[in-house]
Amino acid sequence: EVQLVESGGGLVQPGGSLRLSCAASGFSITNYWMHWVRQAPGKGLVWVSRINPDGSYSNYADSVKGRFTISRDNAKNTLHLQMSSLRPEDTAVYYCVRDLNIAGADYWGQGTLVTVAS
Amino acid sequence: QSVLTQPPSVSAAPGQKVTISCAGSNANIGNNYVSWYHQLPGTAPKLLIYDDTKRLSGTPDRFSGSKSGTSATLGITGLQTGDEADYYCATWDSRLNEVVYGGGTKLTVL
Repeated sequence: EVQLVESGGGLVQPGGSLRLSCAASGFSITNYWMHWVRQAPGKGLVWVSRINPDGSYSNYADSVKGRFTISRDNAKNTLHLQMSSLRPEDTAVYYCVRDLNIAGADYWGQGTLVTVAS
Repeated sequence: QSVLTQPPSVSAAPGQKVTISCAGSNANIGNNYVSWYHQLPGTAPKLLIYDDTKRLSGTPDRFSGSKSGTSATLGITGLQTGDEADYYCATWDSRLNEVVYGGGTKLTVL
């Protein structure tokens, strides 16, 4: 069974940092592009970042460019999102997703809540 | 404000048909595949339709996707109360170099 389990969310002050992780099971992430998507409370879905199968290419939404870094450890079947210079508007549930075809994500984790507040 | 425009809400009676529109531009829908998701309250989104018209394994054939020019449509027939959810369209935007989502449509089955 394919599973994605995020961890690392929590409360952080503005300007702080947090590292999210996503542990995959039931498949090898080596074969897939992986993404992070976020959803602010009561709001819609917003794409954050993606990374190619071998980790050599990634890109980001303008809103997080220069502040967030996506990475992967294929040996550990894990995806990461390093977030720095966090802002209140980064408050959201962050989902790790498996790419079927860029905008089609066929598996989603349960999400991890990041709250940026003082 | 979302790059893709969806109606905030739609409603219909059980057993009826409803359509949800998703309007974009040549930078996104016009030249890239569209996917559709639904999201029940408190849960993660689930992929229903990808590549404009293909149903993911397990998606009932009551759900269909179509596209014309820079707009896409999700159709749901034989509405059930369990279909009440938020629905999102998504595609790649070649100008922004990002995945873009619609703002979401809340479906109410009266």
